[in-house]
Amino acid sequence: DGGITQSPKYLFRKEGQNVTLSCEQNLNHDAMYWYRQDPGQGLRLIYYSQIVNDFQKGDIAEGYSVSREKKESFPLTVTSAQKNPTAFYLCASSATWAAKTQYFGPGTRLLVL
Amino acid sequence: GDSVTQMEGPVTLSEEAFLTINCTYTATGYPSLFWYVQYPGEGLQLLLKATKADDKGSNKGFEATYRKETTSFHLEKGSVQVSDSAVYFCALSDGNSGNTPLVFGKGTRLSVIA
Repeated sequence: DGGITQSPKYLFRKEGQNVTLSCEQNLNHDAMYWYRQDPGQGLRLIYYSQIVNDFQKGDIAEGYSVSREKKESFPLTVTSAQKNPTAFYLCASSATWAAKTQYFGPGTRLLVL
Repeated sequence: GDSVTQMEGPVTLSEEAFLTINCTYTATGYPSLFWYVQYPGEGLQLLLKATKADDKGSNKGFEATYRKETTSFHLEKGSVQVSDSAVYFCALSDGNSGNTPLVFGKGTRLSVIA
């Protein structure tokens, strides 16, 4: 089955720790995205990648980093500089950057201990 | 910049009631419009979309018509079921949105009671 997988489903972070959220897709999509979802806030774009080996900051990139070394993978690192990381993180992909329909993974909930 | 405004929730309906969730948008170009649904603890699923004025998107009994004159894309369903309980997001994609490929509304929570 084609789709987007995210792991883990739940992740706990200690103060001052970096954590990495995984996102993998087997849809052969060029473009991938990371969103943050807070209650009552809708979705906000953290980073996006139009094509492998390229990525750009979204609206709320501070305290986050990404890499796109493989077409199917777009991991997100939440660094210690992100002071309020507790949220639901959603990864998405689209066939190309110009393709407007995005498909989403099941999400990772990050909690701070 | 581009924006999407949805009706405030939560919306609570009895089973078999008629559903309308209002969505209006502001965009500089000619956007594509989407409705996504999020069930508890899950990611977003594409429910329906429309790419140009007067198009009607439909799926699973839900419908929405792209109204350019009123800049609206209201979601409707004739008879809701308990299984429709979820959060619904209206979104637009406009090539003129700069770095933001999809702009989302804040979501409307729907609860359907038996």
